[in-house]
Amino acid sequence: DTAVSQTPKYLVTQMGNDKSIKCEQNLGHDTMYWYKQDSKKFLKIMFSYNNKELIINETVPNRFSPKSPDKAHLNLHINSLELGDSAVYFCASSQGRAGGRTGELFFGEGSRLTVL
Amino acid sequence: DQQVKQNSPSLSVQEGRISILNCDYTNSMFDYFLWYKKYPAEGPTFLISISSIKDKNEDGRFTVFLNKSAKHLSLHIVPSQPGDSAVYFCAASARDFGNEKLTFGTGTRLTIIP
Repeated sequence: DTAVSQTPKYLVTQMGNDKSIKCEQNLGHDTMYWYKQDSKKFLKIMFSYNNKELIINETVPNRFSPKSPDKAHLNLHINSLELGDSAVYFCASSQGRAGGRTGELFFGEGSRLTVL
Repeated sequence: DQQVKQNSPSLSVQEGRISILNCDYTNSMFDYFLWYKKYPAEGPTFLISISSIKDKNEDGRFTVFLNKSAKHLSLHIVPSQPGDSAVYFCAASARDFGNEKLTFGTGTRLTIIP
């Protein structure tokens, strides 16, 4: 019973395709996040949702669209994939908006996206 | 603009000795700092944190030190154990209109040599 689970764990696709990564948390948290770890190992926040409301939206191409059907799920849809989108995408959750202040973000195992 | 820097990509330490991982930051608005540990094929897991009102926080074998004037923090692991071999990420937090954003460093890969 994984606390934060992401699917798929690996995704290989062609440029121009559209793909989605799903995330679910069973911790009862009300805030969820998407982070991207690029080839230089930077782990950067992309989006954050609190109770299905978008609260953090970093400078991310609008080809990336998060969707939160309920507070336990946060999916990431990527249109027209580009080579530079290749990265590991981590979903995370926390209780409340103060994910950092309370000390704990709970991360999923990551989804490695490779765009050919 | 790399606001949180971990200048050592890797570190090797003998088992039983002290491991010291360093982190520097540039944004003076950061007021909460965390360390995360990551094993291969897993997500990062929270290890220890410190508020800017403190200069030290200890939890078992792990101690984090904060030097605000130098904008520097360090993680000490004593004694180091083989299970500590992992990538360690430093992260810093600043309130952004009531929301929290964590800014991560690029990580230091710690290898404990038996």
